[in-house]
Amino acid sequence: NAGVTQTPKFQVLKTGQSMTLQCAQDMNHEYMSWYRQDPGMGLRLIHYSVGAGITDQGEVPNGYNVSRSTTEDFPLRLLSAAPSQTSVYFCASQKGVTGELFFGEGSRLTVL
Amino acid sequence: RKEVEQDPGPFNVPEGATVAFNCTYSNSASQSFFWYRQDCRKEPKLLMSVYSSGNEDGRFTAQLNRASQYISLLIRDSKLSDSATYLCVVTRGSNYQLIWGAGTKLIIKP
Repeated sequence: NAGVTQTPKFQVLKTGQSMTLQCAQDMNHEYMSWYRQDPGMGLRLIHYSVGAGITDQGEVPNGYNVSRSTTEDFPLRLLSAAPSQTSVYFCASQKGVTGELFFGEGSRLTVL
Repeated sequence: RKEVEQDPGPFNVPEGATVAFNCTYSNSASQSFFWYRQDCRKEPKLLMSVYSSGNEDGRFTAQLNRASQYISLLIRDSKLSDSATYLCVVTRGSNYQLIWGAGTKLIIKP
């Protein structure tokens, strides 16, 4: 009963380092997305994918890359971490564009 | 002005009471509306969709007022387990992009 699995749960980076947040879902959902959540703000969409091989930018894509080589996996790459990227990151999947979002448990990232 | 606005609270409510909070949205073309619940340091989970005619799920009632551009959530007979942050979500545009409110924190006290 895994649903959406995100790793790592916690990460501390130094400015300029790169890393990849992993996300995998086992529900065969077409749609996957990455959000960041900051205090006092709603979740903001970073990137999303409507199927394997198809990705697009969300509201706050700068500094992040994604790829979707399989239906199951949707990793988020931070190219050169900045303190402004300190946040909680959530991966989500949904069956269709209007479907319920299922979230991973979140990844708490601190950039020093 | 934010596209989706919620009173951040916290709302401190005694157990068994009824509590209601609203969420206003600015885009009159928004088509779909949802309430998600987020427990402390956890991921959001869908509580309920909000339909034009209003809908009820047990102790929870959601309503939509298109004329005034707000949705509401009513919780009756509140339980300690209802303590959480309630996130209002509204779609924007034909691609159903989701716009999230910052959430209303609810604390139920014994």
